[in-house]
Amino acid sequence: KNEVEQSPQNLTAQEGEFITINCSYSVGISALHWLQQHPGGGIVSLFMLSSGKKKHGRLIATINIQEKHSSLHITASHPRDSAVYICAGFSPNTDKLIFGTGTRLQVFP
Amino acid sequence: GAGVSQTPSNKVTEKGKYVELRCDPISGHTALYWYRQSLGQGPEFLIYFQGTGAADDSGLPNDRFFAVRPEGSVSTLKIQRTERGDSAVYLCASSLSFRGDYNEQFFGPGTRLTVL
Repeated sequence: KNEVEQSPQNLTAQEGEFITINCSYSVGISALHWLQQHPGGGIVSLFMLSSGKKKHGRLIATINIQEKHSSLHITASHPRDSAVYICAGFSPNTDKLIFGTGTRLQVFP
Repeated sequence: GAGVSQTPSNKVTEKGKYVELRCDPISGHTALYWYRQSLGQGPEFLIYFQGTGAADDSGLPNDRFFAVRPEGSVSTLKIQRTERGDSAVYLCASSLSFRGDYNEQFFGPGTRLTVL
């Protein structure tokens, strides 16, 4: 069992739909990172959060420390949102990011 | 300012050859990380540097892999006697530091290595 798990692994949506990607972790972390990776592209940081909620444009990230769970939401999804979304927790014990395996999102027009 | 850059963007080599992958971190970032990402997987930690020294190289898969950062800025990941299983995207990231509270890591575009 991975220390950081994401669901779903694959997600398809119609343009305009509300998207939720979930991330659960089983280890102690001090911060959680949501990343976006386009095919053939590098990784772009979306959010870094250690508590509560953050919003940037159509993207919202939440984290519940007690439940060891984070969600990434995309409102009014668009085909350009199609990418792999990765969550990664920072372990203060090891000073390392622990990555989930990613969620592949495809948004169709 | 410039982000993290990596060269080359793509490298095709033959089994048994030696390769070097380069990473230019964001200016002023003292921490530098190397990751490897296989198809359909999340990045896998290889090594990180704080300044010139390797703070943790526990992710290097074997002694064919080595990384240096002689002046505390640019880093080179070196792979000897490449094997087909080394084919992956090699990612570099940098952050202001790594100790204490997490500092956000900024990722480069990666180098796609293909070993034939």
